[in-house]
Amino acid sequence: RKEVEQDPGPFNVPEGATVAFNCTYSNSASQSFFWYRQDCRKEPKLLMSVYSSGNEDGRFTAQLNRASQYISLLIRDSKLSDSATYLCVVNRGGSQGNLIFGKGTKLSVKP
Amino acid sequence: GAGVSQSPSNKVTEKGKDVELRCDPISGHTALYWYRQSLGQGLEFLIYFQGNSAPDKSGLPSDRFSAERTGGSVSTLTIQRTQQEDSAVYLCASSLGGPHWEPQHFGDGTRLSIL
Repeated sequence: RKEVEQDPGPFNVPEGATVAFNCTYSNSASQSFFWYRQDCRKEPKLLMSVYSSGNEDGRFTAQLNRASQYISLLIRDSKLSDSATYLCVVNRGGSQGNLIFGKGTKLSVKP
Repeated sequence: GAGVSQSPSNKVTEKGKDVELRCDPISGHTALYWYRQSLGQGLEFLIYFQGNSAPDKSGLPSDRFSAERTGGSVSTLTIQRTQQEDSAVYLCASSLGGPHWEPQHFGDGTRLSIL
């Protein structure tokens, strides 16, 4: 099983739609989780951290399920500007290590 | 405030030449990471520096790749005897580090093309 797995998509949705992405991770010792977005030919940018209790930032909601080892990102009322690749990021666990980036899920919001 | 700065933004060189890529992290960030990303692919971890600890070099693809971080700040990634498969965007990121994992902030990257 890969350390971090995401459905590559693409997810093609109309403006205003609600879309959800899931990401699974293999290391049960992982403690930190993030969603990044990456626009075409640009660097990844932090979208939001994912907390155990779930968290919301405007139209974006992130949730963590430790038992099943997956995190999710929900985008409500999709905008054209949401079109990007969404990267799931998980730390490798323990006191050493690094963040592992998923290959990303591509979202395309159409008018 | 200033973000992560990388230079050059683009580098074109001939196969077999050595290249040096520079990263200037956000001030106060103790952790620094190098990644590379080939066209249409995910991020590939290369190396990680945390404070004065020995770097985690587990992602370096070959001994042609090396990196230094002088004075706990600026880092240089060196690729010797470049090959065409080294062509990619090389991204540097920094974070606060510490016992709790902090999100990484990325520079704009260096687009490396090997002819």
